Amino acid sequence: EAQVTQNPRYLITVTGKKLTVTCSQNMNHEYMSWYRQDPGLGLRQIYYSMNVEVTDKGDVPEGYKVSRKEKRNFPLILESPSPNQTSLYFCASSSIDLAGVLDTQYFGPGTRLTVL
Amino acid sequence: SQKIEQNSEALNIQEGKTATLTCNYTNYSPAYLQWYRQDPGRGPVFLLLIRENEKEKRKERLKVTFDTTLKQSLFHITASQPADSATYLCALAAGGFKTIFGAGTRLFVKA
Repeated sequence: EAQVTQNPRYLITVTGKKLTVTCSQNMNHEYMSWYRQDPGLGLRQIYYSMNVEVTDKGDVPEGYKVSRKEKRNFPLILESPSPNQTSLYFCASSSIDLAGVLDTQYFGPGTRLTVL
Repeated sequence: SQKIEQNSEALNIQEGKTATLTCNYTNYSPAYLQWYRQDPGRGPVFLLLIRENEKEKRKERLKVTFDTTLKQSLFHITASQPADSATYLCALAAGGFKTIFGAGTRLFVKA
């Protein structure tokens, strides 16, 4: 079954304690992306990756890091989490067509992060 | 500033009617625009993509229009059903592979 998986699904942590949220896709997609979703603000893009070792900033990259060492995985790293990073996080993946257009973005189930 | 706006108010309609959701944007010239459905606590699910050279796209009971002059996309659900109740998000290509989402419109379809 084609899917995007995220772990953990729920996480409560404290300010400053480094954490990693994993994302994996089994569709051989070139493109992967991280979003955060906050009430009234919708989905905001944090980082995206066009392929292995190629990443770029989205609209809200501050306080986050990513890496793309393998095509299927795109972990999101919070080196020193703060309460304003409490949010619902989604990972997504997509293929890129010959015209350079993103195809359907498949989203993971989300990770609800609370930073105390 | 660059913005993408959707009806902030929830849309309540009667079963069987056509729901029309609006997505307006400023300061972008997107190559394409997408619509997604999101249910509470779940990730968005892709519905339709429309490119800048397309005026209209249909899929079953869904129809999307894209007016690059007005900088607006309309999303229609015909013969709406209670199962169509959800939040609908529009998203556009903001240059390169960056994607910008609207905040979404909540749709309630009453039986």
